[in-house]
This record gives sequence, C-alpha cells and structure tokens, in this order.
Amino acid sequence: AQTVTQSQPEMSVQEAETVTLSCTYDTSENNYYLFWYKQPPSRQMILVIRQEAYKQQNATENRFSVNFQKAAKSFSLKISDSQLGDTAMYFCAFMKLNQGAQKLVFGQGTRLTINP
Amino acid sequence: GAGVSQSPSNKVTEKGKDVELRCDPISGHTALYWYRQRLGQGLEFLIYFQGNSAPDKSGLPSDRFSAERTGESVSTLTIQRTQQEDSAVYLCASSHERGSEQYFGPGTRLTVT
Repeated sequence: AQTVTQSQPEMSVQEAETVTLSCTYDTSENNYYLFWYKQPPSRQMILVIRQEAYKQQNATENRFSVNFQKAAKSFSLKISDSQLGDTAMYFCAFMKLNQGAQKLVFGQGTRLTINP
Repeated sequence: GAGVSQSPSNKVTEKGKDVELRCDPISGHTALYWYRQRLGQGLEFLIYFQGNSAPDKSGLPSDRFSAERTGESVSTLTIQRTQQEDSAVYLCASSHERGSEQYFGPGTRLTVT
C-alpha cells in the first residue's frame, strides 16, 4: 500500500517570504501522479499543482513550484512571494495509475500561516 | 459551470440514528469518489464509482456504510446506526475520466452526539 508523509504539522512565515513544504511517499509503483491540494477554512479542496511521475521536469504554476525527486520519493512544494490568501492546510497526495479506482492517498497535512 | 455540490452542509445526529449524505457531481463527470476527513487529519478514501462499472468499496470502514449512484448522476452515502467515531467531514469528488483532476465539493460535517 502507498503511504504519504508530511513531517511538518505547522509552518508560519511572513508575507512575501518563500516557504517550502515537505512530502515523502512510499510506493513500489512506477506510474503515478503526485498532487498538492490546498484546503482553506471553507473546507473546499483546491488543486494547487500536479506532477506526473514520468516527467523529469518539475511542475510550476505561477508562484507555486515543486521539487520532485523520484529516486528519493520526495515531493516538496515551494511557495514564492507568499500572500495572506495562501494561509490554509496543504495536503500532499499520491495517485497510482492502473485499472480500477484511481483514488488519492493523502498525507496528514501541513497548516501554513502567512503573517502580515 | 456549477461545481460539485453536497448536502447538507452540516448534520448533527444522535448515536444510533441513520444518516444520508448527498453529492451532486459536475455534469458529465463519469468518476465519483467519497472521502472521509477526521479532525486534523488527511482524507481517507471510502468508495469510488465509475460509470456503470461495479463500485470499488474497498475503503468503507464497516458494513454500516453504504453508497449508491444512479448512472452518472447523484450519489448518496448512507451511514446506519451512527457511532461517535463517524464524526468527520465527508467529501465528495468527481472527475471527467480516470486519472484526471478530481474536483471536490465543500463537504458535509457530520457530528454524532
């Protein structure tokens, strides 16, 4: 079974700073996707960024980028120029690609607070 | 277009009662997922529907939990004889096809007293 570990329960930075959230995972699969989701107090899960395991190039979405280290099974999220609206729970998630349910396996989350 | 909707937003019930939670997926999405999120934790997979295929129920925690989906439309998650440990937020997600992005609803917060 796959597991996802987020070792930082909480983080706090000042507005405009850069912050990196850690995620490691364990799998014997070779074909999978990795995701970072954001969950603000509204409870709505919002996709931040996605990485296909077969791609060597790290995914980027505006201020959000990942450092994907496949051999190390590491998938960290970097938020540049952090904004107050980035305050939320952040979840790392894994999805294997095969027949059947392509369910997401989530880590425990990191609570990120951006201070003014 | 409209996103995934869920009802009710909040539900308080007494231990031992049955509850039914509803999910309306995005129109045209063939895949539908139910997840459970306990306080301060990540999401746990419960059940998956894909078109008219048999559902994947491997995440259901006990036989008190069941879910139905008619075609590619509404899904209901039923919890019978609720227990206090069932208190959680129940999230529904849908996707256009297998492997594509899952879009989440706002969840139903269930509190069992």
